[in-house]
Amino acid sequence: DAKTTQPNSMESNEEEPVHLPCNHSTISGTDYIHWYRQLPSQGPEYVIHGLTSNVNNRMASLAIAEDRKSSTLILHRATLRDAAVYYCIPDHYNQGGKLIFGQGTELSVKP
Amino acid sequence: DAGVTQSPTHLIKTRGQQVTLRCSPKSGHDTVSWYQQALGQGPQFIFQYYEEEERQRGNFPDRFSGHQFPNYSSELNVNALLLGDSALYLCASSLGYRTSGNTIYFGEGSWLTVV
Repeated sequence: DAKTTQPNSMESNEEEPVHLPCNHSTISGTDYIHWYRQLPSQGPEYVIHGLTSNVNNRMASLAIAEDRKSSTLILHRATLRDAAVYYCIPDHYNQGGKLIFGQGTELSVKP
Repeated sequence: DAGVTQSPTHLIKTRGQQVTLRCSPKSGHDTVSWYQQALGQGPQFIFQYYEEEERQRGNFPDRFSGHQFPNYSSELNVNALLLGDSALYLCASSLGYRTSGNTIYFGEGSWLTVV
């Protein structure tokens, strides 16, 4: 399984952009990169995923490095509701649906 | 459109007892996975069901077993409960087996406390 490295915690101010980094240097060429977040006392929530190109949706943007060894989740304007643990998870092509969660990054948002 | 629903939301069991947790996947999804999340840790994959068979399994003992029904709903059973089984149990659903790149949806979980 591909290993990931994320900062344990990050802080942001409300309405400012947030860049959450993830290193996944052992990822294989066919592994998608998924991002999930988990708010306190809730189940994980899908944020975004991508393979090679940068991806955008209503929640966030995902910037994937050209060598795919790292990616960055971008929240364009952080809100208090974005305070959560963010997980970066490579999805191995042959184990689709089996997500290996690391420790994630705990994001706190200050008003 | 209902998402993934789990029951019960909270329960307390005694060491040595058995517990059954239930999950209904998101409409249209045919694959169900179960995860265990201890306090302060990330979720850990227990197993995955597709076409009523266990397809993938994580590093969990045989005390953990499951079942998937023809309507795709699923149960997680844990026998001979230990104090260490106290955790949040999460059900996740997706479409297709071993299809990477799919969005996986999680339920809110069942909180199990073993005393």
